[in-house]
Amino acid sequence: DAGVIQSPRHEVTEMGQEVTLRCKPISGHNSLFWYRQTMMRGLELLIYFNNNVPIDDSGMPEDRFSAKMPNASFSTLKIQPSEPRDSAVYFCASSLKATTGELFFGEGSRLTVL
Amino acid sequence: AQTVTQSQPEMSVQEAETVTLSCTYDTSESDYYLFWYKQPPSRQMILVIRQEAYKQQNATENRFSVNFQKAAKSFSLKISDSQLGDAAMYFCAYRRWGGSEKLVFGKGMKLTVNP
Repeated sequence: DAGVIQSPRHEVTEMGQEVTLRCKPISGHNSLFWYRQTMMRGLELLIYFNNNVPIDDSGMPEDRFSAKMPNASFSTLKIQPSEPRDSAVYFCASSLKATTGELFFGEGSRLTVL
Repeated sequence: AQTVTQSQPEMSVQEAETVTLSCTYDTSESDYYLFWYKQPPSRQMILVIRQEAYKQQNATENRFSVNFQKAAKSFSLKISDSQLGDAAMYFCAYRRWGGSEKLVFGKGMKLTVNP
């Protein structure tokens, strides 16, 4: 079975540019999570969705960040405009409610903003 | 709010020896999950072991076992017969019962395995 698929794996961009990160959760999973990982702050939850509906976006840093989940098989995290402090690894994860509770993670998207 | 604390940022162990990673958490809930995730240099987050809070028996997965002390809110991971491939960042994590809740992570701990 395919796991959580994220793209791109690596992104290097200039400050001020728009960045879009994409995620395809595991088929049948009904919860999707976006995490950000940095050395200083560790793993931070940005936002999560249940059944495509955003439940908690309190971790989204500011209005420059937005996330959507138009359907059960796709989500995007957009940063506009990007800043150097947004440089991090962004993980997408999914889970199924009626299971043993763990999240399944994608391989992450490493973002570098110059 | 729930919090997870990993007080040791780094540890090292000799190959074939045993090492214990500590984790404490804070919650007012009675039903929840606890996890240990491993993140090797490839950065993939890999589930090592899980524990349901209602289960008194400590979880084991091959060389990995936990010591779950619910009253003390402690959840340590023991790695037996350490292998070079165990070298990684290890994250302790908490999740409220219900299956639709977020995972709260500790800061992580870097484990080095010496040959």
